[in-house]
Amino acid sequence: EIVLTQSPGTLSLSPGERATLSCRTSQSVTSNYLAWYQQKPGQAPRLLIHGASSRATGIPDRFSGSGSGTDFTLTINRLEPEDFAVYYCQQYDNWPLSFGGGTRVDI
Amino acid sequence: QVQLQESGARLVKPSETLSLTCSVSGGSVSPYYWSWIRQTPGKGLEWIGYIFYSGDTNYNSFLKSRAIISVDASRNEVSLKMTSLTAADTGLYYCARHPSAMAAFDIWGQGTMVTVSS
Repeated sequence: EIVLTQSPGTLSLSPGERATLSCRTSQSVTSNYLAWYQQKPGQAPRLLIHGASSRATGIPDRFSGSGSGTDFTLTINRLEPEDFAVYYCQQYDNWPLSFGGGTRVDI
Repeated sequence: QVQLQESGARLVKPSETLSLTCSVSGGSVSPYYWSWIRQTPGKGLEWIGYIFYSGDTNYNSFLKSRAIISVDASRNEVSLKMTSLTAADTGLYYCARHPSAMAAFDIWGQGTMVTVSS
């Protein structure tokens, strides 16, 4: 199983700042089959990024994904109040599909 | 707009069987893949398994064959049965859609909380 390690565990920032979230995988994700999700309290995860860098439908362009191999990054430019949430990465390159432990972005 | 709604028993006794249903509205189960994913305090988000609309399935081995996923295309429903429940199975259970087996989950249900307790 591919293990995904997210860092930091918590990121404390202010609106307008940039958030940089890391996801490292225990094996190379060869097809860049990596996704990022946002989860707010009481809600299901929402797909933000797929294919490591492609924004899902309706996702603002302040969200961007990058990386390849074993190192991936989610960047949120100019944090809006609604962006404070928990973010998960997920690989769909290998079975079983697996998720990271999450990064909380706090005010 | 496609929406998913999970339903089923919320409180299950240890060693008993969990039965959940995911109802798909605003769209069809065809030609998509449908996964069950759970979120537990101990393990976070875990993929349980998927079913293709035609009936092909794939499961996460950590469940040791305790899970069975089925689809009823005529009712636009996907179901999960999980046997031999323990307290470690307590958590939020989601159904989610993906356009291919190796694809991100583009639509999620709101989730249903399952508690395993006597």
